[in-house]
Amino acid sequence: DAKTTQPTSMDCAEGRAANLPCNHSTISGNEYVYWYRQIHSQGPQYIIHGLKNNETNEMASLIITEDRKSSTLILPHATLRDTAVYYCIAPPLRNRDDKIIFGKGTRLHILP
Amino acid sequence: SAVISQKPSRDICQRGTSLTIQCQVDSQVTMMFWYRQQPGQSLTLIATANQGSEATYESGFVIDKFPISRPNLTFSTLTVSNMSPEDSSIYLCSAQGAGWTEAFFGQGTRLTVV
Repeated sequence: DAKTTQPTSMDCAEGRAANLPCNHSTISGNEYVYWYRQIHSQGPQYIIHGLKNNETNEMASLIITEDRKSSTLILPHATLRDTAVYYCIAPPLRNRDDKIIFGKGTRLHILP
Repeated sequence: SAVISQKPSRDICQRGTSLTIQCQVDSQVTMMFWYRQQPGQSLTLIATANQGSEATYESGFVIDKFPISRPNLTFSTLTVSNMSPEDSSIYLCSAQGAGWTEAFFGQGTRLTVV
């Protein structure tokens, strides 16, 4: 897996956009970037993934830099329920069933 | 999508005993994994549960301590053997199917060893 680096924690005001950065400077050309989150006392939950292009779904947007060395997960209108630990992961593409290795993630606090 | 059920959701066990955790998926999956999450920490992969063959363990985890079974494509068990207080953690099961975009996780089993 590519090594990823994330800030330990971040705060964001409720209703504002939460922008979570991730550095993955060792990512290879065929490795996707995945984001998961873990709300307290729950198992991790998939959010979004991307390879080169920016992606958007009902939960979030993923912006990947042109050199693919970093990305940003955007929660457009954060709510208190978005308080969680967010994990940026870059597993090998060659086997999409491969195991997921979690880093330390970013603990996001949404402030009322 | 898939729904993963883990049993028990929590347990308090005496040191020296063993606990078997069950993981049931509501659809057939190719890959199943077991993780440990110690208090305040990230998830650590214990092993890949292989259907019909021995599990593949990560560094630092051994079969004698964490025996795993996977008799079919929807079910797996993890046993925590000869428990000590250091085994107190949340244990999570994960599953992924061929060609799936995402992995799914159970809610975890919170184990306390006294």
